[in-house]
Amino acid sequence: SQQGEEDPQALSIQEGENATMNCSYKTSINNLQWYRQNSGRGLVHLILIRSNEREKHSGRLRVTLDTSKKSSSLLITASRAADTASYFCVYQGAQKLVFGQGTRLTINP
Amino acid sequence: EAQVTQNPRYLITVTGKKLTVTCSQNMNHEYMSWYRQDPGLGLRQIYYSMNVEVTDKGDVPEGYKVSRKEKRNFPLILESPSPNQTSLYFCASSLGIAGSTDTQYFGPGTRLTVL
Repeated sequence: SQQGEEDPQALSIQEGENATMNCSYKTSINNLQWYRQNSGRGLVHLILIRSNEREKHSGRLRVTLDTSKKSSSLLITASRAADTASYFCVYQGAQKLVFGQGTRLTINP
Repeated sequence: EAQVTQNPRYLITVTGKKLTVTCSQNMNHEYMSWYRQDPGLGLRQIYYSMNVEVTDKGDVPEGYKVSRKEKRNFPLILESPSPNQTSLYFCASSLGIAGSTDTQYFGPGTRLTVL
């Protein structure tokens, strides 16, 4: 299977702390994306990082990409209760997208 | 408003009764796809379409059919639903599969229960 792997599978932190999620993939990629899913709802695009980029920022989000290790990480700084959701990395396999298993993030007040 | 719509949002049906879940996008996207999401298994692609009249199997196509007669619509058809097709289904679209502008836009999901 081409399915990506994310860790941890679940993460619970206090509001205000930083959250880091990791994603590993198995093929060469053009880009890698991160999505958020609130419970039972559709996925929402957060950020895209191209294969020639090493780091990208968007607000409180920071994404890194290490193509030599085939891995990416998503850092959410100064977490808020509204960040509670599942986070998925997504990358292009052969003509189709491959989804990681997701990390379920819980922010405790 | 740019969006992907799915209907119905919730459906309870019985084994063997044919059903169709519609998906429509208003962004003139080339690429559309269907996924199912199950606990512990993540999102798995059922079928995808790179353009009108061009469809291809994803990872779990058994028991499903799709059609792409026009660019905006990509219905998912279950000819004879079975209980193992109980799942949360998502339709998604993007401008194209290749290139840098391939953000996926997801529909709100259809929760299907087959009794």
